[in-house]
Amino acid sequence: AQKITQTQPGMFVQEKEAVTLDCTYDTSDPSYGLFWYKQPSSGEMIFLIYQGSYDQQNATEGRYSLNFQKARKSANLVISASQLGDSAMYFCAMREVNTGFQKLVFGTGTRLLVSP
Amino acid sequence: NAGVMQNPRHLVRRRGQEARLRCSPMKGHSHVYWYRQLPEEGLKFMVYLQKENIIDESGMPKERFSAEFPKEGPSILRIQQVVRGDSAAYFCASSPRMGTRGETQYFGPGTRLLVL
Repeated sequence: AQKITQTQPGMFVQEKEAVTLDCTYDTSDPSYGLFWYKQPSSGEMIFLIYQGSYDQQNATEGRYSLNFQKARKSANLVISASQLGDSAMYFCAMREVNTGFQKLVFGTGTRLLVSP
Repeated sequence: NAGVMQNPRHLVRRRGQEARLRCSPMKGHSHVYWYRQLPEEGLKFMVYLQKENIIDESGMPKERFSAEFPKEGPSILRIQQVVRGDSAAYFCASSPRMGTRGETQYFGPGTRLLVL
């Protein structure tokens, strides 16, 4: 079974609008972390935001916020006021802690295109 | 504070040759992770190392691939007798400590390996 599912291969948004990128996850571990990374065309992986499974509030980092719905096992990324520079691939990732492993498991990504 | 450094950024090898990929973690980080990204896919975990120890190599192919993180110097991912299917981007990430949900892994720029 897929651990991380990103069902949107591509998304389009106009500049200055908000966009939501979907991510659902599968785990039986009560302790886990969820991450979003951005990969622009230059190829590097840029950390955006983190949400812990025990965190009571949704994480926010500037224009990025995470809509965390634990019961639905979803961790959607919301980008407000999109900018042209937001055009990139976006990856959702999870790390389970109680298994003792430190690896990140990534989804297949969503390509976001911001148009003027 | 310099980020994670990887070299070379691009590497071309002919089938049967060896590829050596280097990763210098962020200052103060003693945990290193290697991931592979095939074209149009998400990152896949390969191996997790601490200084002089391989902690988890569950994602690494059993043959031709090896990794080390010596007491001094960078972490090395070594691929012997490369084949065309090894063509991918190889990312290194580092973190300062393990055991917490939110310990973010910071990625290097990646090495793009092309096997001719």
